[in-house]
Amino acid sequence: SQKIEQNSEALNIQEGKTATLTCNYTNYSPAYLQWYRQDPGRGPVFLLLIRENEKEKRKERLKVTFDTTLKQSLFHITASQPADSATYLCALDTTGKLIFGQGTTLQVKP
Amino acid sequence: NAGVTQTPKFQVLKTGQSMTLQCAQDMNHEYMSWYRQDPGMGLRLIHYSVGAGITDQGEVPNGYNVSRSTTEDFPLRLLSAAPSQTSVYFCASTPTLRSYNEQFFGPGTRLTVL
Repeated sequence: SQKIEQNSEALNIQEGKTATLTCNYTNYSPAYLQWYRQDPGRGPVFLLLIRENEKEKRKERLKVTFDTTLKQSLFHITASQPADSATYLCALDTTGKLIFGQGTTLQVKP
Repeated sequence: NAGVTQTPKFQVLKTGQSMTLQCAQDMNHEYMSWYRQDPGMGLRLIHYSVGAGITDQGEVPNGYNVSRSTTEDFPLRLLSAAPSQTSVYFCASTPTLRSYNEQFFGPGTRLTVL
């Protein structure tokens, strides 16, 4: 069956360090992958999209990689700040629907 | 633009009651969808629509009905609420799913079924 997996355990890092979040999938051949940020009590907000033929995408302090051979995407936040603390969700396009992973909670400590 | 709006923000139901969660968008998006979010489960797709008059089932459609009579509105109906439907519900929209666009989410409806 199709599966998207993100680290269920919270990631705790020190301010200024790079946070790396993982999204693994099986039995999918997505045309693209998206990353969203969700703050408590709010709806997810779009951050980045990477297509299947792109290896890497950057936006300010954010970087996403997409390895279709490993079936994995990595999401990096460089020079992390306490304001980056949130839950981050990856999402894949599959047969006309967008399916989400369960999300990883990031806590950046000052 | 108001974006994606959802009403109500909070709702408490008794088992067996029915209700409709409202969702509207003013961006002329073709694609709309409903998700539920439970602790540790992420967002699970309930139903989606690729345009007015067209709806389809997602991962967890049982117990929910939808219709799409206009581009703007995509209500979600619970015909006979069950405690297992206690969750936070999000509506989302995007121009078309094939155009690699971001999805815009509403603020959510927190539903409790007693």
